[in-house]
Amino acid sequence: QQQVKQSPQSLIVQKGGISIINCAYENTAFDYFPWYQQFPGKGPALLIAIRPDVSEKKEGRFTISFNKSAKQFSLHIMDSQPGDSATYFCAATEETSGSRLTFGEGTQLTVNP
Amino acid sequence: EPEVTQTPSHQVTQMGQEVILRCVPISNHLYFYWYRQILGQKVEFLVSFYNNEISEKSEIFDDQFSVERPDGSNFTLKIRSTKLEDSAMYFCASSVYAVSLYFGPGTRLTVT
Repeated sequence: QQQVKQSPQSLIVQKGGISIINCAYENTAFDYFPWYQQFPGKGPALLIAIRPDVSEKKEGRFTISFNKSAKQFSLHIMDSQPGDSATYFCAATEETSGSRLTFGEGTQLTVNP
Repeated sequence: EPEVTQTPSHQVTQMGQEVILRCVPISNHLYFYWYRQILGQKVEFLVSFYNNEISEKSEIFDDQFSVERPDGSNFTLKIRSTKLEDSAMYFCASSVYAVSLYFGPGTRLTVT
């Protein structure tokens, strides 16, 4: 019940295209859903996060869509750029408990020029 | 911009040896964490630390592991007797409010 399932495992997109990564969770106690971006040899970096009281959050080219009833959330990268090529991890946690982040399996995104 | 730092960047050790991984969290952060990532796999939680004590630990964090905040700035992870399967990237992280974690660059631990 603690798992977060992420898909696809890898994604190739042309420059200017839309990248979409999906995650699903089971634990209804999760109430904070961040996305992390990781470049090779670096630690994960917080990209954007959402709480379940809203269905969408947008920051620049990055948008999280959240479907509480389906227990799913997704990351959309608009106008994808080669510099966006990285591994993306969704995660979930219970914010008030200070609990562990449970990460998805990761998606390796490649944006071709 | 403040950042989490970790040393060393790469540690090679022999099976059965003790290793200490060091981290300097962001100075005004109150929550501290260790995560690990085996090559090609997802990031896994090890332990969280708040108010000078462990607040939560995972099944991975057995008696071979310990954490310490020996002074006001450092946060360490000790593995008492390393095993081959401990080979991984170890990430330290810190946060102000137990969310919005900031991760360090990691220490690559290789156990031979």
